[in-house]
Amino acid sequence: DAKTTQPTSMDCAEGRAANLPCNHSTISGNEYVYWYRQIHSQGPQYIIHGLKNNETNEMASLIITEDRKSSTLILPHATLRDTAVYYCIVRVGETSGSRLTFGEGTQLTVNP
Amino acid sequence: EPEVTQTPSHQVTQMGQEVILRCVPISNHLYFYWYRQILGQKVEFLVSFYNNEISEKSEIFDDQFSVERPDGSNFTLKIRSTKLEDSAMYFCASSITGANSPLHFGNGTRLTVT
Repeated sequence: DAKTTQPTSMDCAEGRAANLPCNHSTISGNEYVYWYRQIHSQGPQYIIHGLKNNETNEMASLIITEDRKSSTLILPHATLRDTAVYYCIVRVGETSGSRLTFGEGTQLTVNP
Repeated sequence: EPEVTQTPSHQVTQMGQEVILRCVPISNHLYFYWYRQILGQKVEFLVSFYNNEISEKSEIFDDQFSVERPDGSNFTLKIRSTKLEDSAMYFCASSITGANSPLHFGNGTRLTVT
């Protein structure tokens, strides 16, 4: 799986948009970008994933650059409950049962 | 919304004892996984399981570990002879298909080996 690079930590004011960057410059054509988050020691929570088009769901938006070498997760109106570690993961999409490989992630702290 | 459930939430066992961690994946999911997270460390892949056999396993998943889907609804992880270093959070996950299908995780079992 392609490696990803994320900032160690970020801060965001409550109610503002949180923009979390991720670099994946060695991504292959069949690899998807997944975002998960982990609050305290709870299980990782799926947020969103995409291949090359931008994606949006009720939780977040995912913006993938045209060359697919980086992406940004956007939480449009961050709340205190969005404080968590956010993981950007690149995963092979064609292999059945392919694993997710978690890195260190970004600790996002939403401040009142 | 359907979810992955894990029991127990906390298990304490003595070194050398066998322990079984249980998971009920989401009902229409076909792929099952176990991960672990030692306190303060990354979430690590252990094993994936499909069609009643292991699809992939990591170097962590040695002979003391085994997985089973005994009755079509439960998915279990057995640690044969626990060591102190097996103390960790163990997360079960499932997905509908393997490709392009997100994994959904349970909230884990905290295993403490004394």
